[in-house]
Amino acid sequence: QSALTQPRSVSGSPGQSVTISCTGTSSDVGVFNYVSWYLQHPGKAPQVMIYDVTKRPSGVPDRFSGSKSGNTASLTISGLQAEDEADYYCCSYAGSSSWVFGGGTRLTVL
Amino acid sequence: EVQLVESGGGLVQPGGSLRLSCAASGFTFSSYSMNWVRQAPGKGLEWVSYISGSGSTIYFTDSVKGRFTISRDNAKNALSLQMNSLRDEDTAVYYCARVLTTSRFDPWGQGTLVTVSS
Repeated sequence: QSALTQPRSVSGSPGQSVTISCTGTSSDVGVFNYVSWYLQHPGKAPQVMIYDVTKRPSGVPDRFSGSKSGNTASLTISGLQAEDEADYYCCSYAGSSSWVFGGGTRLTVL
Repeated sequence: EVQLVESGGGLVQPGGSLRLSCAASGFTFSSYSMNWVRQAPGKGLEWVSYISGSGSTIYFTDSVKGRFTISRDNAKNALSLQMNSLRDEDTAVYYCARVLTTSRFDPWGQGTLVTVSS
């Protein structure tokens, strides 16, 4: 399984919106609606922000939203805040109880 | 509070072995599948291994097949990862994570660092 493709970095000013893409294949993102997004602050464990492509766990602000089209999933963060600055990883189920992650995207809030 | 705590990491020589543990609390451990996910220094996340709630179904990523073993003791709320024939490229922080749903790993432990080096 090859890693999903994410941009290495994105940036935005407070209050703006940013979108992080995650491109997989017809064997993972394209065929399963089991895409999730994880936020990781430096030195900390990842935490789920979006699962099942569009669902938000309780406690995650509705500024975070997910979508998918074909083999590409996206995470959009609106109304950027300083605390959103972190690494973001997408993850897709790939069948047979296996998963593949993206390489990660560093979000910088300018 | 739902909590996962890993232990057992450390420095090991190439070819050596290490056993990681993950202690679970705050939920019915046997009802959930579990994953191990690792992160090499400065790199991204990589799924390593899966075990079902009963322990009857197990999967590994290709790079560790035949070298790593995953197990669980539901009576002790404990998950383990036995790592043999370790290689430099196995150096990483290893996280255990509860598989809440197919696409939701929640929560994650704090991680334990494994360093393979001579």
